[in-house]
Amino acid sequence: DAGITQSPRYKITETGRQVTLMCHQTWSHSYMFWYRQDLGHGLRLIYYSAAADITDKGEVPDGYVVSRSKTENFPLTLESATRSQTSVYFCASRETGHVDTGELFFGEGSRLTVL
Amino acid sequence: DAKTTQPPSMDCAEGRAANLPCNHSTISGNEYVYWYRQIHSQGPQYIIHGLKNNETNEMASLIITEDRKSSTLILPHATLRDTAVYYCIVRVGSVNTGTASKLTFGTGTRLQVTL
Repeated sequence: DAGITQSPRYKITETGRQVTLMCHQTWSHSYMFWYRQDLGHGLRLIYYSAAADITDKGEVPDGYVVSRSKTENFPLTLESATRSQTSVYFCASRETGHVDTGELFFGEGSRLTVL
Repeated sequence: DAKTTQPPSMDCAEGRAANLPCNHSTISGNEYVYWYRQIHSQGPQYIIHGLKNNETNEMASLIITEDRKSSTLILPHATLRDTAVYYCIVRVGSVNTGTASKLTFGTGTRLQVTL
């Protein structure tokens, strides 16, 4: 199915473990983003990518690693998870081209709990 | 990007128009106003955006004041399904530039539509 999908949708892990959240989009959008949303807060940008092999830091990048070897995938890795990284993570993508609507398309989110 | 100010919460009776205000007094001439909403636990959903002129689509209308320092999102006939957090965001409108592609989400307005 076309769209943007995240996996896993729910994950429980322990402090110090490595966790990777996957994001896959079928539109061939150039831009992809990772946001986190904590209870009672808005979305905060972690990392974004303008194209394959091009990534840049957002507002809260510490403790996270991203890669973009293929246009359609943008995995987010927590190399050593901490309790403060318990959050809901949203992946998003955006098309680019002559007409830039600026519209972001979001996935359904990945709820991560770090014990 | 310019900061925005929104009321934390609003109520609206079903069938009535919901008018959600947003102040963006420091908006620059090349910054667009975007509105997104997030229905409980789901990824944010794009609603509408505009630069200077009022805009309307199948979901809502966007009214931007002449000095562009504030705007109002109008849901003409609110339903229970419109209960959500609504985010007003300003962003530089540009094509294919990294920093201009980010959206900064605040805490939004929680709209509760009631019977």
